[in-house]
Amino acid sequence: EAGVAQSPRYKIIEKRQSVAFWCNPISGHATLYWYQQILGQGPKLLIQFQNNGVVDDSQLPKDRFSAERLKGVDSTLKIQPAKLEDSAVYLCASSRSGVGELFFGEGSRLTVL
Amino acid sequence: GENVEQHPSTLSVQEGDSAVIKCTYSDSASNYFPWYKQELGKRPQLIIDIRSNVGEKKDQRIAVTLNKTAKHFSLHITETQPEDSAVYFCAASKDSGYALNFGKGTSLLVTP
Repeated sequence: EAGVAQSPRYKIIEKRQSVAFWCNPISGHATLYWYQQILGQGPKLLIQFQNNGVVDDSQLPKDRFSAERLKGVDSTLKIQPAKLEDSAVYLCASSRSGVGELFFGEGSRLTVL
Repeated sequence: GENVEQHPSTLSVQEGDSAVIKCTYSDSASNYFPWYKQELGKRPQLIIDIRSNVGEKKDQRIAVTLNKTAKHFSLHITETQPEDSAVYFCAASKDSGYALNFGKGTSLLVTP
């Protein structure tokens, strides 16, 4: 089966600019996650979707980050305006209805200058 | 929320030796404990997991043990090989539907 697809793989922007990342989960996976992985640290959950509804966004900096999963399939994560500390890899993952193994995409590496 | 602590942050072993990575968690309601391996520049991939109704699970050279009373679990890799070199993350979550909370990772280096 096809894996989790993410784009772009790399993005370099100036602070205060905006950026958007896209994720297409494994077909049939109802649960989609966005994690932020800062260099040298473990993935930190930003938001979890079950179909097109938000399950957990308690750690999403809502003043600058937004995410949507309109049709319960692919998802977009947006940052506006970006800060230096947003430099990280943004990992999308999916699972079958939130049970068991998470399947990660290759990640989108963001550098904010 | 759940807090997962992982030790050590770096570990260097000689090929053929064993490696042990330990994690503790804070939420006694957590009952699912996976371990992920992340090679440089690659995505994290599940290598083994354990649920709270089991104390130990083994898969070839990899084993995980769980002590629910003490709220800690460990990854054991025997007969290490250079290809085991990677960053290993432990994680914990409650019942299905809850996201994983990850530790900060252990960078394992296996030298020939």
